[in-house]
Amino acid sequence: GQNIDQPTEMTATEGAIVQINCTYQTSGFNGLFWYQQHAGEAPTFLSYNVLDGLEEKGRFSSFLSRSKGYSYLLLKELQMKDSASYLCALYSSASKIIFGSGTRLSIRP
Amino acid sequence: DAEITQSPRHKITETGRQVTLACHQTWNHNNMFWYRQDLGHGLRLIHYSYGVQDTNKGEVSDGYSVSRSNTEDLPLTLESAASSQTSVYFCASSEATGSDEQYFGPGTRLTVT
Repeated sequence: GQNIDQPTEMTATEGAIVQINCTYQTSGFNGLFWYQQHAGEAPTFLSYNVLDGLEEKGRFSSFLSRSKGYSYLLLKELQMKDSASYLCALYSSASKIIFGSGTRLSIRP
Repeated sequence: DAEITQSPRHKITETGRQVTLACHQTWNHNNMFWYRQDLGHGLRLIHYSYGVQDTNKGEVSDGYSVSRSNTEDLPLTLESAASSQTSVYFCASSEATGSDEQYFGPGTRLTVT
């Protein structure tokens, strides 16, 4: 089966950097997604990692280590609008996408 | 512009009633998914479809059914609503493969009393 772990809540300061970790166990791995979800809204796509390493997209970067079953989402120059839940999701070899419970990030001024 | 819509946005129903939630996408995507989201559980996959006449069970499919008669629609039916099915339901679609990003609808908040 698959299992995904990420912290339930995090707090950070406006203008700072925050790293949200995600660890996973799976019998087959195709890739890992990160989604952002503001309260009361639908999730929106942030990134998809297949190979090891860091992928940067503006203020957001996502890292993957397949051998360690580990990923993180790095958010730089935090803004108040970044207050949201961040969902790690595994695309398994069974062609299914399994979501973690999400990390609720609060940004304080 | 292409979009994915859900209706109704809010629904209150009684235990034992049959309920159908609609999902309609104009992306012309082959893949469509239904999730439920509950506090502490994240998004859990109910059913999914990779094309017309194709349907598959997800991790929490008991008490739910879907049918795919065309590309645009994947209605979700609760055969006999139970209080445990009170949740927010999201429909999503993606292009061709599982590695494609999913586009989510706005969600339906269902309350079963």
